[in-house]
Amino acid sequence: EAQVTQNPRYLITVTGKKLTVTCSQNMNHEYMSWYRQDPGLGLRQIYYSMNVEVTDKGDVPEGYKVSRKEKRNFPLILESPSPNQTSLYFCASRRQGARGTEAFFGQGTRLTVV
Amino acid sequence: AQTVTQSQPEMSVQEAETVTLSCTYDTSESDYYLFWYKQPPSRQMILVIRQEAYKQQNATENRFSVNFQKAAKSFSLKISDSQLGDAAMYFCAYRVSNTGNQFYFGTGTSLTVIP
Repeated sequence: EAQVTQNPRYLITVTGKKLTVTCSQNMNHEYMSWYRQDPGLGLRQIYYSMNVEVTDKGDVPEGYKVSRKEKRNFPLILESPSPNQTSLYFCASRRQGARGTEAFFGQGTRLTVV
Repeated sequence: AQTVTQSQPEMSVQEAETVTLSCTYDTSESDYYLFWYKQPPSRQMILVIRQEAYKQQNATENRFSVNFQKAAKSFSLKISDSQLGDAAMYFCAYRVSNTGNQFYFGTGTSLTVIP
């Protein structure tokens, strides 16, 4: 089954404790991205990657890191989480080189930083 | 700057009735794509319908259709014969052409379906 898999789905952590949210897709998509969803703000892009070893900032990259060492994986790293990073996070992927391709989303990760 | 505006934070509809969700966007591009995503309580983001800006014809997917007004930069979603399973948050999204790297999302409209 074609899918984007995020782990964990729920995470509660303390301020300053490094964490990683994993994302993996099995559709051989070139493009992957991370979004955060906050009430009243919709989804905002954090980082994206056009292909292996190619990443770039989205609209809200502060406090986050990403890496793309393999085509299928795109982890989101919070080196020193803070309470304002409490949010719902989505990983998404899509195919390049085709018109109108939509983004496929993971199940979401609910992160709470206390 | 690309922006997507959904001016209706909440909407409700009677089961079997029709409801229209509004979306406007701002862009200087001529070639782009528009999408409606549904997010039920499970949080999964599900594509409802997509529209390519260069196509005049409005997209339709079963009970879901759009009214795409390119000059007015408007992209509304019409849900006909509403069902209880249609209750969800709906997001309008925009992406520039074939190489657009970023989806721009509206703030969402929460749809309630009344039995």
